[in-house]
Amino acid sequence: GQSLEQPSEVTAVEGAIVQINCTYQTSGFYGLSWYQQHDGGAPTFLSYNALDGLEETGRFSSFLSRSDSYGYLLLQELQMKDSASYFCAERVGNYQLIWGAGTKLIIKP
Amino acid sequence: AAGVIQSPRHLIKEKRETATLKCYPIPRHDTVYWYQQGPGQDPQFLISFYEKMQSDKGSIPDRFSAQQFSDYHSELNMSSLELGDSALYFCASSLEGPESTDTQYFGPGTRLTVL
Repeated sequence: GQSLEQPSEVTAVEGAIVQINCTYQTSGFYGLSWYQQHDGGAPTFLSYNALDGLEETGRFSSFLSRSDSYGYLLLQELQMKDSASYFCAERVGNYQLIWGAGTKLIIKP
Repeated sequence: AAGVIQSPRHLIKEKRETATLKCYPIPRHDTVYWYQQGPGQDPQFLISFYEKMQSDKGSIPDRFSAQQFSDYHSELNMSSLELGDSALYFCASSLEGPESTDTQYFGPGTRLTVL
């Protein structure tokens, strides 16, 4: 079967760095996507890794290790507005994403 | 920049009624995805369309149907509504081709409440 696992909740301090991990168990893996969702809002695409290594987009970076079936999202210089749920997701088939259960990021002043 | 448009934003229905949700993708996006999201849950993939043809099917109940029209907008039709159908329904769109599935742009969602 296909599944993604990520922590349910992570707490960090404003200005700090936080890493949200995601492990997956699938065949036919294409790549790992990350989405952010604020309470009551729509998911917003953050980053995508198809190959091993680090992808950097401003304060956010995403990493993938295909050999370890593992990836993470790194958020730097945390701001209160980063408080949200973060989902890892992967493509199965051609036009379907399956999602992890989401990690709620709580940021304290 | 234009975003995905969904209508209505809120909808209240009684049990056993029907509902139709509409989605207008970003211009030039030809792939549409529908998701259902319950409180505190991840988005559950329902169905997707590429170039007006159904492409993938997820956990969409038989009571639901969807289609994509010639102008690429999509409608999700829900019949015999049940209390458990109360959720946020998101539509997302992406550019052509399966490689774009990883980068989806979401609409604001329709909050369906079934009483």
